[in-house]
Amino acid sequence: EAQVTQNPRYLITVTGKKLTVTCSQNMNHEYMSWYRQDPGLGLRQIYYSMNVEVTDKGDVPEGYKVSRKEKRNFPLILESPSPNQTSLYFCASSSRTDATNEKLFFGSGTQLSVL
Amino acid sequence: SQQGEEDPQALSIQEGENATMNCSYKTSINNLQWYRQNSGRGLVHLILIRSNEREKHSGRLRVTLDTSKKSSSLLITASRAADTASYFCATLLTPNTGGFKTIFGAGTRLFVKA
Repeated sequence: EAQVTQNPRYLITVTGKKLTVTCSQNMNHEYMSWYRQDPGLGLRQIYYSMNVEVTDKGDVPEGYKVSRKEKRNFPLILESPSPNQTSLYFCASSSRTDATNEKLFFGSGTQLSVL
Repeated sequence: SQQGEEDPQALSIQEGENATMNCSYKTSINNLQWYRQNSGRGLVHLILIRSNEREKHSGRLRVTLDTSKKSSSLLITASRAADTASYFCATLLTPNTGGFKTIFGAGTRLFVKA
């Protein structure tokens, strides 16, 4: 089954403790992206990747890191989480680098709480 | 500010009625997409309309696009309780740095009463 898999689904942590949210897709998609969703603000893009070893900042990259060493995986790293990073996070992928006509496939989300 | 902004923010209707949601955007687009999100879950793609199209249908969904007004509407006909969800429009931007970014609006929360 074609899917984007995020883990974990829920995560509670404390300020400053490094964490990684994993994202994997089995559709051989070139494009992958991370979003955060906060009430009243819709989805805001954190980072995206056009292909292996190619990443770029979205609208809210501060406090986050990503890597794209393999095509299928695109982990989101919070080196020193802070309470303002408490949010619902989504990973998404799409099939073509020039995805002007391609839809995004989303993972089920990771609810992160930073205390 | 958001590229896409939906209107209304929330909509409550009876089962069987039609639901109309609107989206406005600011810059030129390649396409505009609508997504659906059930409470806290991942978004699911509904329909894509290209910039050279004016109307598109998919089942009970009808999308229109007016590039002169930079606006789009999503119509759900004969709504069902299962249509209760949040609906987002999304537009594609191509930054000077290359690649592309999909920008989402804040969404419309639709509640369909049985």
